[in-house]
Amino acid sequence: NAGVMQNPRHLVRRRGQEARLRCSPMKGHSHVYWYRQLPEEGLKFMVYLQKENIIDESGMPKERFSAEFPKEGPSILRIQQVVRGDSAAYFCASSPSAGTGDGYTFGSGTRLTVV
Amino acid sequence: KNQVEQSPQSLIILEGKNCTLQCNYTVSPFSNLRWYKQDTGRGPVSLTIMTFSENTKSNGRYTATLDADTKQSSLHITASQLSDSASYICVVRTTGANNLFFGTGTRLTVIP
Repeated sequence: NAGVMQNPRHLVRRRGQEARLRCSPMKGHSHVYWYRQLPEEGLKFMVYLQKENIIDESGMPKERFSAEFPKEGPSILRIQQVVRGDSAAYFCASSPSAGTGDGYTFGSGTRLTVV
Repeated sequence: KNQVEQSPQSLIILEGKNCTLQCNYTVSPFSNLRWYKQDTGRGPVSLTIMTFSENTKSNGRYTATLDADTKQSSLHITASQLSDSASYICVVRTTGANNLFFGTGTRLTVIP
């Protein structure tokens, strides 16, 4: 079991470009969560998805950010027209069922730098 | 307001020494409390999960305590090793599907 896989590990984008972050959950996990971690701060919840459904996007900015978890393939966090303030580490977690009980596992994150 | 506060913010100790990290929370209703270890550039890795009825839980050299009445938890690290250098994050869960509240972590540095 390869664990939660995120790619790329590092991503550099110029202001105004688009950033696409991918998350492949653990085998057998159908629930995916995205978090953002700014330097020297704790993780902040962004969005919770099940296959083909967004369950809770209360932590995601209304503009420029979107997330999907298609029937096939990884979950994608998309940031359009990136700005310097989007620079952060983005972590994905997955779980085998709803909620955050045992089996809730984090990926190694994608570090986005906007220049 | 649901909050998780950790102290100290950072800590430097000598290899082989013990240390204790603190976590105070106001999250309610309480479901469980977790301690995670986050190495630099990596995702958080779970150390312990404690429910309301558990006062103490150990995982090797890590021992977590929970006082649900005072809403406090501690993580005690025994005989520290250089590899213990990391951020230790306290996370409290409430009921509901998406309900984790993260502390900002304690940055521990173990020096030889």
